[in-house]
Amino acid sequence: DADVTQTPRNRITKTGKRIMLECSQTKGHDRMYWYRQDPGLGLRLIYYSFDVKDINKGEISDGYSVSRQAQAKFSLSLESAIPNQTALYFCATKSPTQETQYFGPGTRLLVL
Amino acid sequence: GNSVTQMEGPVTLSEEAFLTINCTYTATGYPSLFWYVQYPGEGLQLLLKATKADDKGSNKGFEATYRKETTSFHLEKGSVQVSDSAVYFCALTDRGSTLGRLYFGRGTQLTVWP
Repeated sequence: DADVTQTPRNRITKTGKRIMLECSQTKGHDRMYWYRQDPGLGLRLIYYSFDVKDINKGEISDGYSVSRQAQAKFSLSLESAIPNQTALYFCATKSPTQETQYFGPGTRLLVL
Repeated sequence: GNSVTQMEGPVTLSEEAFLTINCTYTATGYPSLFWYVQYPGEGLQLLLKATKADDKGSNKGFEATYRKETTSFHLEKGSVQVSDSAVYFCALTDRGSTLGRLYFGRGTQLTVWP
């Protein structure tokens, strides 16, 4: 089984709808991250969390919110989706003692 | 600030050709450097990394050397295969920061033809 899983893998939604993307990990890492990938722009950080009680904004947090329900679960919400949030979203985890981040398979989101 | 600049793609090569993907960086602290690879339909996987100047990271025939004097971390492979077709991302993390976030380049699409 994959160490970092994301659901759904693909989602089509309409402008104004609320949508939640979920991430779960079995690596036991306390640090979790949400990134957004757009063609030609690489990955940009949306939110990050060091533990259940510690959530922080990244460089492009506007229009997004997150919830860290447990050490293993970190959800990303779009409160009112808009077309320019169409992108590929990745969750990642990391141990505080190591530098390598481990990525989920991504969620492809299309906002019409 | 921290940033990574990668050569623009796409890069198209024939099998067994030599590959170079250029990467340069700007960092406020003392970074560790990474190459991640994204195969079609998959998430990013760590390909190799280097944590200090002159270190060489290597994996699956790929190599990259941490050059502090030129602030570069170019990815090379002597003989590419069709299975190397993917998007390659250069990235850095600031070792002096507790945040642990990665700063990514824009990615370079590599296509290898048989």
